[in-house]
Amino acid sequence: SYVLTQPPSLSVAPGQTARVTCGGSNVGSKSVRWYQQKPGQAPVLVVYDDNDRPSGIPERFSGSNSGNTATLTISRVEAGDEADYYCQVWDSSSDHVVFGGGTKLTVL
Amino acid sequence: EVQLVESGGDLVKPGGSLRLSCAASGFTFSTYGMNWVRQAPGKGLEWVSYTPSSASYTHHADSVKGRFTISRDNAKKSLYLQMNSLRAEDTAVYYCARDLGIKVGTITLDSWGQGTLVTVSS
Repeated sequence: SYVLTQPPSLSVAPGQTARVTCGGSNVGSKSVRWYQQKPGQAPVLVVYDDNDRPSGIPERFSGSNSGNTATLTISRVEAGDEADYYCQVWDSSSDHVVFGGGTKLTVL
Repeated sequence: EVQLVESGGDLVKPGGSLRLSCAASGFTFSTYGMNWVRQAPGKGLEWVSYTPSSASYTHHADSVKGRFTISRDNAKKSLYLQMNSLRAEDTAVYYCARDLGIKVGTITLDSWGQGTLVTVSS
């Protein structure tokens, strides 16, 4: 089955840029979604189709996807961005939704 | 405003059964694919099941295949998850989530409920 690998944690100072990676075999050929989940809350879609944002999501959130790595980039990080971030794809070979293990972003 | 409200979570013994429900409002339920996603305490997200708008087929994760069944009633704007032969490892918050349906062959979970807790323990 298809596997997505994320680093468990990432720390960034306010105002800096956070890059959350998501590794998978030829993930660049798939369409990646990213979700933000704050403690005690349901996940929220922040990026879809590699680099599109739902309405209401700040432009500070962007995505890229090439080769074996997809990346969620959060520019000018704010304290309110502290959350768990999950990447997700649809694996057509198994007809399964696949999530990465999640990355906990800490704003220093 | 899109609203998804899960219910039915409870404490159940191993081997028992439970039926979760998700009531939808604020959108045309019959035109969207729907999913169940779960999250064990302190763990990451795990996709469970998917049904398209027509309910013509279903997909289930390997971990629940043969034990869980997703279904929907478009007239009642409701999604269901029948869970049988429950195990301790099924303990989780269960979310229902709408598929945005922007592209064939992809699933984008654009709206989520707040979840319902299922605890499997003797």
